[in-house]
Amino acid sequence: AQTVTQSQPEMSVQEAETVTLSCTYDTSESDYYLFWYKQPPSRQMILVIRQEAYKQQNATENRFSVNFQKAAKSFSLKISDSQLGDAAMYFCAYRTDSNAGGTSYGKLTFGQGTILTVHP
Amino acid sequence: EPEVTQTPSHQVTQMGQEVILRCVPISNHLYFYWYRQILGQKVEFLVSFYNNEISEKSEIFDDQFSVERPDGSNFTLKIRSTKLEDSAMYFCASPRAAEAFFGQGTRLTVV
Repeated sequence: AQTVTQSQPEMSVQEAETVTLSCTYDTSESDYYLFWYKQPPSRQMILVIRQEAYKQQNATENRFSVNFQKAAKSFSLKISDSQLGDAAMYFCAYRTDSNAGGTSYGKLTFGQGTILTVHP
Repeated sequence: EPEVTQTPSHQVTQMGQEVILRCVPISNHLYFYWYRQILGQKVEFLVSFYNNEISEKSEIFDDQFSVERPDGSNFTLKIRSTKLEDSAMYFCASPRAAEAFFGQGTRLTVV
């Protein structure tokens, strides 16, 4: 079974600074997806960024980027120019890239989450 | 952007009562998932549903839980006799290809 570990229960950053959230995972599969989700106080799950394991290039979405190290099974999220609205719980998640019809298709395994505080 | 809609947004129920949480997934999606998040904890997989039947369930998903797609569009999660520890956020999710679309969640409070 896959596992996802976020070793930082809490992180803080000054507004406009950069912060990196860590995530490691364990899997025997070669094809999969990795995600970072943001959960603000409303508790809605908001997709921040996605990485396909077969892609060597790190995903980037505006101020958010990842450092995907497949061999090390590491998937960290970097938030640049942090804003007050970035304050939230962040979850790293793993998803099997099985074919449609497989029982695990689309199933997400989440890490424990990291609470990010942004100081003005 | 496609939307998954969950109702109600918040439900308060007495211990021992039955609750039904509803989800309208994205049309043409084949797989549906329910996840649970106890306050302050991680999001946990409950059950997956494919082709109108359960395809996988976790150990959390015991006999108190059931899922249905009663009318071909709505997707429900029923808890037959709620316990205090069922208090949590419940999310419906509808994956397709590389995307995973979540509903806004239902906050269930058991008193």
